[in-house]
Amino acid sequence: DTGVSQDPRHKITKRGQNVTFRCDPISEHNRLYWYRQTLGQGPEFLTYFQNEAQLEKSRLLSDRFSAERPKGSFSTLEIQRTEQGDSAMYLCASSSTRRDINPEAFFGQGTRLTVV
Amino acid sequence: EDQVTQSPEALRLQEGESSSLNCSYTVSGLRGLFWYRQDPGKGPEFLFTLYSAGEEKEKERLKATLTKKESFLHITAPKPEDSATYLCAVHEGKLIFGQGTTLQVKP
Repeated sequence: DTGVSQDPRHKITKRGQNVTFRCDPISEHNRLYWYRQTLGQGPEFLTYFQNEAQLEKSRLLSDRFSAERPKGSFSTLEIQRTEQGDSAMYLCASSSTRRDINPEAFFGQGTRLTVV
Repeated sequence: EDQVTQSPEALRLQEGESSSLNCSYTVSGLRGLFWYRQDPGKGPEFLFTLYSAGEEKEKERLKATLTKKESFLHITAPKPEDSATYLCAVHEGKLIFGQGTTLQVKP
């Protein structure tokens, strides 16, 4: 297993366009998290899944943001009608709730979004 | 509301000059505290997990400790390659992160 994979690594889009990011977690991990990070700040929680169920969604997440994990494996994060304030690094992480696997979350390399 | 606060925001050290980073937290029930290292433009890299007060973990020049209200990341005789942003997070189902401490070690 090569770890958490995110695609694309970089995305430049025009304001008002929709964008979709993909995350492939570590295969034996049942939890998957999405975070947003801006320069000089720590990662800000967006949402997380356990298997295919979305367990929590941040109040900060507007209705332009939606995430899915339809088969409990990979996940997508879509941003509709992008705004310049959406420019950030979008990070995906995965972890396991199994007792025989350490609980720490491992991160992908992120998708850098620039809205022009 | 659960909160995680890291200090200082930035730290400059000379190579070999030991120091500590602080992570203070207020959570209703701590399930674990994590330390990560993040290099510019990359995702956070896992370092340590601490579960209970008094616990310590070590890795090379880094040692993490935990009390009931805070955690410290001690850096002994740092090298320039230790320069990075260090993040702590508390585990509450999701991870709640502090804003990070950016460490610069000069040769």
